[in-house]
Amino acid sequence: NAGVTQTPKFRVLKTGQSMTLLCAQDMNHEYMYWYRQDPGMGLRLIHYSVGEGTTAKGEVPDGYNVSRLKKQNFLLGLESAAPSQTSVYFCASRGTGDNSPLHFGNGTRLTVT
Amino acid sequence: KQEVTQIPAALSVPEGENLVLNCSFTDSAIYNLQWFRQDPGKGLTSLLLIQSSQREQTSGRLNASLDKSSGRSTLYIAASQPGDSATYLCATSHPGGMRFGAGTRLTVKP
Repeated sequence: NAGVTQTPKFRVLKTGQSMTLLCAQDMNHEYMYWYRQDPGMGLRLIHYSVGEGTTAKGEVPDGYNVSRLKKQNFLLGLESAAPSQTSVYFCASRGTGDNSPLHFGNGTRLTVT
Repeated sequence: KQEVTQIPAALSVPEGENLVLNCSFTDSAIYNLQWFRQDPGKGLTSLLLIQSSQREQTSGRLNASLDKSSGRSTLYIAASQPGDSATYLCATSHPGGMRFGAGTRLTVKP
């Protein structure tokens, strides 16, 4: 059981380039999330999805887009990368029910130069 | 807006000590509170989840408590070991998602 898998693990982009981060979960979870983690700031929610075909904005959505075409996949896109988007990105998923625990992937370390 | 604070930011203890990590939050209208462990270069692993109606949860050497009225949670680690060295984060769950603290980086010295 792989859980939550993120690809790629590392990426370096130049300012203005675009890329897509892929998150896949094999636990049949309805809810999926994208967070970014920056030193001293904890994790901040970028976008989330409560089911296939649905997405919603989180705390820091600007500069990012997402899609949830299949239940098991949640994609995070950067259309025009900026140095402020240098961060570690984590995907997470959980089942329905307010007390379902959150499961995390191992993260993608992105550097924008 | 929920604010979650963890103090101290870093803690170093000798092996075998019992220790307490603190988490405070400003909005008591939560579904639950979770404690996570994060190893360097890795994602977060859920340690304990305390539902809003509960006061504490235990797993092995770990015990987490929740006091919603005061907006506080503690994670108690008994007989600490070098393998416990990691960053510990708490997070509160709300209708719009989860709000995380910045974490406490724990080092247990042999």
